[in-house]
Amino acid sequence: DTAVSQTPKYLVTQMGNDKSIKCEQNLGHDTMYWYKQDSKKFLKIMFSYNNKELIINETVPNRFSPKSPDKAHLNLHINSLELGDSAVYFCASSPRHRDHGYTFGSGTRLTVV
Amino acid sequence: AQKVTQAQTEISVVEKEDVTLDCVYETRDTTYYLFWYKQPPSGELVFLIRRNSFDEQNEISGRYSWNFQKSTSSFNFTITASQVVDSAVYFCALSEATQGAQKLVFGQGTRLTINP
Repeated sequence: DTAVSQTPKYLVTQMGNDKSIKCEQNLGHDTMYWYKQDSKKFLKIMFSYNNKELIINETVPNRFSPKSPDKAHLNLHINSLELGDSAVYFCASSPRHRDHGYTFGSGTRLTVV
Repeated sequence: AQKVTQAQTEISVVEKEDVTLDCVYETRDTTYYLFWYKQPPSGELVFLIRRNSFDEQNEISGRYSWNFQKSTSSFNFTITASQVVDSAVYFCALSEATQGAQKLVFGQGTRLTINP
């Protein structure tokens, strides 16, 4: 009964490969997000979807493509992985109203070798 | 643009000491939300508190307390009688409303180490 679940938890892959990270939330929230945490622990938003519509797209290489088949799922596909993509990726969700906070997933640690 | 600054990169104290983590923010919004999150060594982000910009009351939850001062744009976090389990990276964040989403702008984080 995890609220926001991400899979896989760990992902080790070679440069040049394509990989996906999946995220699902069972909270009934309208909005989902992807955040990246780099090696210095800095957290920055990448994308946000509201009810399957992309509404935030920060300066992210177009090798990263989010996909939201429905409002409970937001997947992140990464093409042609590079060493610099190594990071922890967090999925999150929030309800429509701002007076409710985020719920984060447990993170996916991606290591590109 | 919104910005959150946590000037203390690392803090190390001995168990049972009190410790305060500083957070200063910048925003042009009149309505905004401030958050603190804890990231223990296991890596997950643990929600600690959310504060509405209209509510300047300080909050206490057990050994944790928060001091919100709009006049100085600060939202500081104090742990009283620290314990080893408090060791973690702590993040302050500011919520920016964007087209129906809440974009969280995080500070750089403060790594807190509590030594036995």
